[in-house]
Amino acid sequence: GENVEQHPSTLSVQEGDSAVIKCTYSDSASNYFPWYKQELGKRPQLIIDIRSNVGEKKDQRIAVTLNKTAKHFSLHITETQPEDSAVYFCAASIGGYQKVTFGIGTKLQVIP
Amino acid sequence: KAGVTQTPRYLIKTRGQQVTLSCSPISGHRSVSWYQQTPGQGLQFLFEYFSETQRNKGNFPGRFSGRQFSNSRSEMNVSTLELGDSALYLCASRRTGENTEAFFGQGTRLTVV
Repeated sequence: GENVEQHPSTLSVQEGDSAVIKCTYSDSASNYFPWYKQELGKRPQLIIDIRSNVGEKKDQRIAVTLNKTAKHFSLHITETQPEDSAVYFCAASIGGYQKVTFGIGTKLQVIP
Repeated sequence: KAGVTQTPRYLIKTRGQQVTLSCSPISGHRSVSWYQQTPGQGLQFLFEYFSETQRNKGNFPGRFSGRQFSNSRSEMNVSTLELGDSALYLCASRRTGENTEAFFGQGTRLTVV
């Protein structure tokens, strides 16, 4: 089955700096890669996603890149703010199937 | 539109007992997935139901089971509870289609003592 590895497990950055979280996946058939943000005590919420026919996608301060050959994808957050502090999960799934495999999560702390 | 609703929010059970958790998806969503969240293991997929049929299953023992009703509401059952079953159980619903967004409920915090 699919295996998703996520690094780092914790990340501390100064407010205004950039944060990068990296994930690798094992199943070359995976073609959908969502990222979820989970604030303390709250439910995970989708923040951005990318499909395998796209190499990069941006949404304001958040961007995701995908390298299908290397089977890795990354989340980039620029100009970080304290409200970006949360746990971020990457995930991979095969289109049409709803078995989504999540990474173990990255706890991001933005220091004011 | 109401979000995904899970009940109860908190549960305390004794080892050996069984428990049933409930998930009401967003209206119109026919796919419901269940996940176990623990600090050391992240989000682990349990199973997914669509139109009352289990479509996918994760690597959990047979003590974990589920079902879905004709109104898309889903229940998850854990029998013969073990201490290691203590976790946050999340369900997520999606609308029909490929690669659609998963909307999560608030979760049920299960503590086994």
